[in-house]
Amino acid sequence: GENVGLHLPTLSVQEGDNSIINCAYSNSASDYFIWYKQESGKGPQFIIDIRSNMDKRQGQRVTVLLNKTVKHLSLQIAATQPGDSAVYFCAEMKGGSYIPTFGRGTSLIVHP
Amino acid sequence: DGGITQSPKYLFRKEGQNVTLSCEQNLNHDAMYWYRQDPGQGLRLIYYSQIVNDFQKGDIAEGYSVSREKKESFPLTVTSAQKNPTAFYLCASSRTSGHSTDTQYFGPGTRLTVL
Repeated sequence: GENVGLHLPTLSVQEGDNSIINCAYSNSASDYFIWYKQESGKGPQFIIDIRSNMDKRQGQRVTVLLNKTVKHLSLQIAATQPGDSAVYFCAEMKGGSYIPTFGRGTSLIVHP
Repeated sequence: DGGITQSPKYLFRKEGQNVTLSCEQNLNHDAMYWYRQDPGQGLRLIYYSQIVNDFQKGDIAEGYSVSREKKESFPLTVTSAQKNPTAFYLCASSRTSGHSTDTQYFGPGTRLTVL
């Protein structure tokens, strides 16, 4: 499959642990943020999103935190499972623009 | 992968040949996009289209061409002018292109290798 994780930052965790993946975004005018998961050889899958008028949003086993002061976004995955192993990347979008800017991603490796 | 399909999954091309990658969506999305992904790098935008019969160049359009004759289809042609075409190509679509909160959904990708 496509090794999109080559040369990316890597986070290794044990199955059952909580994982935190971080993303620093560049544009203070960005008002919409998305996290994607990309498994080897596949297209990115939408996980969760958050608007700039929020600082936290929860989904099933995932939580996104937004700190606009330091332009930082994080994705927390609870009780990480081997199936969570993938590359995770964030995307930011600025009001008035419909083209997101994508981060390089972080490779998450979950050890059973 | 939602309702976005890309074909073929793997494609091999000889140098000097043009090749067309297919992207179809049944989500009734207005906007469609083509990205290139290289190992260890973020997605780079090649072309995008907001409506039928209209499209705009992205950041790395040189050596590529597109058409948008139907709402559902946005094929990408990799021409012989593209100097380094070996990459993973991703198609995406979004509901509209007029709002910054319209999430892009991706197809499964096509791996192009130039021999």
